[in-house]
Amino acid sequence: NAGVTQTPKFRVLKTGQSMTLLCAQDMNHEYMYWYRQDPGMGLRLIHYSVGEGTTAKGEVPDGYNVSRLKKQNFLLGLESAAPSQTSVYFCASTPGSYEQYFGPGTRLTVT
Amino acid sequence: TQLLEQSPQFLSIQEGENLTVYCNSSSVFSSLQWYRQEPGEGPVLLVTVVTGGEVKKLKRLTFQFGDARKDSSLHITAAQPGDTGLYLCADGGYNKLIFGAGTRLAVHP
Repeated sequence: NAGVTQTPKFRVLKTGQSMTLLCAQDMNHEYMYWYRQDPGMGLRLIHYSVGEGTTAKGEVPDGYNVSRLKKQNFLLGLESAAPSQTSVYFCASTPGSYEQYFGPGTRLTVT
Repeated sequence: TQLLEQSPQFLSIQEGENLTVYCNSSSVFSSLQWYRQEPGEGPVLLVTVVTGGEVKKLKRLTFQFGDARKDSSLHITAAQPGDTGLYLCADGGYNKLIFGAGTRLAVHP
């Protein structure tokens, strides 16, 4: 039981490049989330999904897109990366209880 | 928009000392969660409190939820180096979490 996994762990992009971050969970959870964590600002919700085929905007959705084609996977896309998107990205999932289970994070640098 | 304020931002103490960190909200919590995040890892849930005035204990950690459900404290007794990390409070409304900025704790041997 791997829990929540994220791919890749690290990535460096040039401004304007695109990339996709993959989150996978093997706990059969309905709800999945993408957060970004910046120094001094805690975690902020980017997008979330309440089930396969559904997505919704969070607090800071601009510049990101998401897809949930399969229940176990939640993809976060950056179409044209900007330096302001340099951050650590965390994926989380929950069956609908209070507790969210977090992945280990992806450290993204945009130069 | 709800704002969660955590204090202090940083805390550096010696092993064996006691400490308290705080979380205050601009509005009533739906439910209050405390997470701990170690370097290079994602946050891990420590406790969830729902009822005003509630006190929960987890070994050397004591969590208190204010009567008005707008504030909380986390007290650690006899801190150990393994307690080092970022302590985050969060409001868990309708399966969406709003996080505070955290208190970064360093416990030195």
